[in-house]
Amino acid sequence: EVQLVESGGNLVQPGGSLRLSCVASGFTFSSYWMSWVRQAPGKGLEWVANIKHDGSEKFYVDSVKGRFTISRDNAKNSLFLQMNSLRADDAAIYYCARDGGFSSSNYFDSWGQGTLVTVSS
Amino acid sequence: AIRITQSPSSLSATTGDRVTITCRASQIINSYLAWYQQRPGKAPQLLIYAASTLGSGVPSRFSGSRSGTDFTLTISSLQSEDFATYYCQHYYPYTESTFGPGTKVEI
Repeated sequence: EVQLVESGGNLVQPGGSLRLSCVASGFTFSSYWMSWVRQAPGKGLEWVANIKHDGSEKFYVDSVKGRFTISRDNAKNSLFLQMNSLRADDAAIYYCARDGGFSSSNYFDSWGQGTLVTVSS
Repeated sequence: AIRITQSPSSLSATTGDRVTITCRASQIINSYLAWYQQRPGKAPQLLIYAASTLGSGVPSRFSGSRSGTDFTLTISSLQSEDFATYYCQHYYPYTESTFGPGTKVEI
């Protein structure tokens, strides 16, 4: 069974930093593209970033370029999202998701339970 | 950027009803469209990808279709566990993937 477990969400002040983690199990992590998708409270879904199976390619939504960095450690079956210069509009539940395809733009066939990021002073 | 519109934004239905939700893309995206179900307080779950391919373990009462840039999710006979919010998502190659605004299916 595919499992994705996120952690690292917290309350952070505007301008602050946070690192999210996602541990995967139940599949060959190193064979899949992986993504972060977020959902602001009471709002819809927004793809944030994804990373190729070997980490050689990374893509971001325009609103987080230069502030967020996606990375992975295939030896530890782990996905990360380093978030810097956080803004109020970054507040959301952040989901780790497995890409269902093998390109920079994919659907998502498995999701974690999410981790909550709150940005407030 | 490819824009996705979704209608209706909400609907009221009864168990056993046939329900249809539509998404429209602002340009041709071939069949690069997926549908998700999100129950309150839960993560989204994949229902359909490639416009009409059922995800693993998804009940056969769910189906998807495409006509040009219009995509339809149909629930043939609504069950109690189907009351949720439904999102479509385009994933056209070499573009930024985006989701529709969602359709809330209520009792």
